[in-house]
Amino acid sequence: GAVVSQHPSWVICKSGTSVKIECRSLDFQATTMFWYRQFPKQSLMLMATSNEGSKATYEQGVEKDKFLINHASLTLSTLTVTSAHPEDSSFYICSAITGSNTEAFFGQGTRLTVV
Amino acid sequence: DAKTTQPPSMDCAEGRAANLPCNHSTISGNEYVYWYRQIHSQGPQYIIHGLKNNETNEMASLIITEDRKSSTLILPHATLRDTAVYYCIVRKISGNQFYFGTGTSLTVIP
Repeated sequence: GAVVSQHPSWVICKSGTSVKIECRSLDFQATTMFWYRQFPKQSLMLMATSNEGSKATYEQGVEKDKFLINHASLTLSTLTVTSAHPEDSSFYICSAITGSNTEAFFGQGTRLTVV
Repeated sequence: DAKTTQPPSMDCAEGRAANLPCNHSTISGNEYVYWYRQIHSQGPQYIIHGLKNNETNEMASLIITEDRKSSTLILPHATLRDTAVYYCIVRKISGNQFYFGTGTSLTVIP
């Protein structure tokens, strides 16, 4: 299957700083990518849908000014957590759909810890 | 919005078939049933999807009832590596987003 890669796999940052997470589709072009967050022992919660060359669409309750999403190319989307606080500590996962739009492929996730 | 109901947890003996049920009684005609699984601290992995016919691939079989209100994912010979959370997702044919419900935590026991 198609490969989606996230970087970094884990990151620790100080409260008040910003953190950028990258999501790349390695062997296909992804016009649409998705960002999820997952708290311990909970399911994945969709945060936003990222479309190449246009503004991301955020799910209800997700602060777009705090979670900045950029999808500048067909193979790269980035999520920046701005002014991170300890409550932003979570597992962030991206996914991308192929041109056939039948499957979503997921990255391995990024564990963010804000101290 | 998650439109599926799954049991929170199940056990299965290694080597036996694991049958994971999913209720999607409000599914509409233009919605597929997808199954993904998530092994601890990893991204979800695609397993299988179907519209109304039963489907089989190298990983699993998907049995969808005739009225499409429920389905069962079958892992024919469960191994310890199949221990994971299994998510049943309903998604529009023309849609983009995958909304995850609570899933079933499957534990394969030696």
